[in-house]
Amino acid sequence: EPEVTQTPSHQVTQMGQEVILRCVPISNHLYFYWYRQILGQKVEFLVSFYNNEISEKSEIFDDQFSVERPDGSNFTLKIRSTKLEDSAMYFCASSSEGDTEAFFGQGTRLTVV
Amino acid sequence: RKEVEQDPGPFNVPEGATVAFNCTYSNSASQSFFWYRQDCRKEPKLLMSVYSSGNEDGRFTAQLNRASQYISLLIRDSKLSDSATYLCVVRGSGGGADGLTFGKGTHLIIQP
Repeated sequence: EPEVTQTPSHQVTQMGQEVILRCVPISNHLYFYWYRQILGQKVEFLVSFYNNEISEKSEIFDDQFSVERPDGSNFTLKIRSTKLEDSAMYFCASSSEGDTEAFFGQGTRLTVV
Repeated sequence: RKEVEQDPGPFNVPEGATVAFNCTYSNSASQSFFWYRQDCRKEPKLLMSVYSSGNEDGRFTAQLNRASQYISLLIRDSKLSDSATYLCVVRGSGGGADGLTFGKGTHLIIQP
């Protein structure tokens, strides 16, 4: 069964450093997303990406964040100048059509120290 | 502001019992509705989509009331493996461009 894969599974970084989280969406999917979940809290939408550009972003997704699809398979989230409060589980997701369900990767646990 | 509200629980239910969860959503323009389940420290996984006419998948039944902006999930003959957090999820009218809005989830514990 096709799945969304994310690397690394766990990333520890020092405050102020930049991190890049990587995702390989399901191959025939058209819409890509990043979500985050702070421990004990709800899953929060960050950004959606379609046709090589951002479709929508939440108020969380400020200038500290950026996304890129550098090639035909990878989808990345870059977080610049990380803060302690960026510590969370980051989920990548993809969907085939606009109104269908999104499939989630297993997540990257980011710990900022 | 888009919000999805759920009772966080926990719901402690004996194996074999029937349990129901509800959620409400604030954005009347919402077009797509889902129930996901999330196991501890894992990714959300789709349980079922929710349609206006109501739909059933085995032991699971979902209902949508657009007028009241209310979604429900019924689990019959509950199994130990049903223990998880159940997430009510809504998508707006923008189709795939819209992100999903998640509730905080309802924690279900099935007891032997």
